[in-house]
Amino acid sequence: KAGVTQTPRYLIKTRGQQVTLSCSPISGHRSVSWYQQTPGQGLQFLFEYFSETQRNKGNFPGRFSGRQFSNSRSEMNVSTLELGDSALYLCASTWDRTLYNEQFFGPGTRLTVL
Amino acid sequence: DQQVKQNSPSLSVQEGRISILNCDYTNSMFDYFLWYKKYPAEGPTFLISISSIKDKNEDGRFTVFLNKSAKHLSLHIVPSQPGDSAVYFCAATLGGAQKLVFGQGTRLTINP
Repeated sequence: KAGVTQTPRYLIKTRGQQVTLSCSPISGHRSVSWYQQTPGQGLQFLFEYFSETQRNKGNFPGRFSGRQFSNSRSEMNVSTLELGDSALYLCASTWDRTLYNEQFFGPGTRLTVL
Repeated sequence: DQQVKQNSPSLSVQEGRISILNCDYTNSMFDYFLWYKKYPAEGPTFLISISSIKDKNEDGRFTVFLNKSAKHLSLHIVPSQPGDSAVYFCAATLGGAQKLVFGQGTRLTINP
């Protein structure tokens, strides 16, 4: 079974631009979560989507948004990029909101904002 | 507000010995805890988990202990192997939510 895939793996943008990252979950997984990893803040939860609906949201500004498609694939968008948005963005998937299914992570997208 | 804390940024252990990684949390509502391992350029990989109704869970070389009164959990790796060298994250969640709250991570180095 293929794992979680994320595209692109690396991305360089400049301040003020916007970016869209993509995540394909493991087949059959319906929940997709996004995390941001930075040296200073560690791994922080951005949001979770289930059945095309945002079900949980972390403490990030509205510049960070996401969506999920009917095939469970998910995208996240960051508008008006800031230098501090440089980070590794990780996507994770799991089956459902049954008790504490482990989340399977993708390799991440490394975003650099210049 | 760091609800999950790993106070040791790094740990060095000799091959074959026991590695003990520690994690503290402040939110007593957390009811499920997980450990993840992360290699460079890869996403975190699930290792082992424990429910708050238990105080110990074992899986092969990995054992997680939970002390609810102290709001502390630890991961024991016995015996430690070179392939265990990685960054280890503890994480917590509550109410079945897929929102994981992570610690800052501990870099474990196993020396031959």
